[in-house]
Amino acid sequence: GAVVSQHPSWVICKSGTSVKIECRSLDFQATTMFWYRQFPKQSLMLMATSNEGSKATYEQGVEKDKFLINHASLTLSTLTVTSAHPEDSSFYICSARTGTGGNDEQYFGPGTRLTVT
Amino acid sequence: GENVEQHPSTLSVQEGDSAVIKCTYSDSASNYFPWYKQELGKGPQLIIDIRSNVGEKKDQRIAVTLNKTAKHFSLHITETQPEDSAVYFCAPGDSSASKIIFGSGTRLSIRP
Repeated sequence: GAVVSQHPSWVICKSGTSVKIECRSLDFQATTMFWYRQFPKQSLMLMATSNEGSKATYEQGVEKDKFLINHASLTLSTLTVTSAHPEDSSFYICSARTGTGGNDEQYFGPGTRLTVT
Repeated sequence: GENVEQHPSTLSVQEGDSAVIKCTYSDSASNYFPWYKQELGKGPQLIIDIRSNVGEKKDQRIAVTLNKTAKHFSLHITETQPEDSAVYFCAPGDSSASKIIFGSGTRLSIRP
């Protein structure tokens, strides 16, 4: 149980275009989902926290108009990178948590590698 | 906020030997101390965790020890195997908190 999937696993897009990444909790309902970004040989940095049905909370320094997050259902959250540029190339990882769970019940997806050319 | 440091940043050990990674934190209110393993191109996976009321926890070849007074906890891997090669992250914090803040990571390589 507690499986989180991401789609696509990798994507290449041209500079200036937008790309959408999906995060799904497959066998549980996730009232809260998190989006992380990881540059090569660095740690995971939290970008935003999204709760189902409400606006996402972004970490300091993360542009909310560039990284659009939609958490429309209890099993799906999407991250859209708008007007992507080469510096947005990174490994994007989502995680999902059940309603009453704490950090010990937060499950990570396999990640999506975005390359902007 | 929590200030987390991991040491070493890279570690290479001979297969069969033990590996120890240390995580130091600053927030005395932290009560949850997990370790994550991230293999190349994958998301992190929780491999072991410990709460503040316990000093040590073991699960087969891996163990975590906690020193709350000194504000550090360590990951111990015994009888290392090639599949242990990965990046390991600590993420101390409050188990009821909404965020996970990861340490800087330790790249462990197992030499055959």
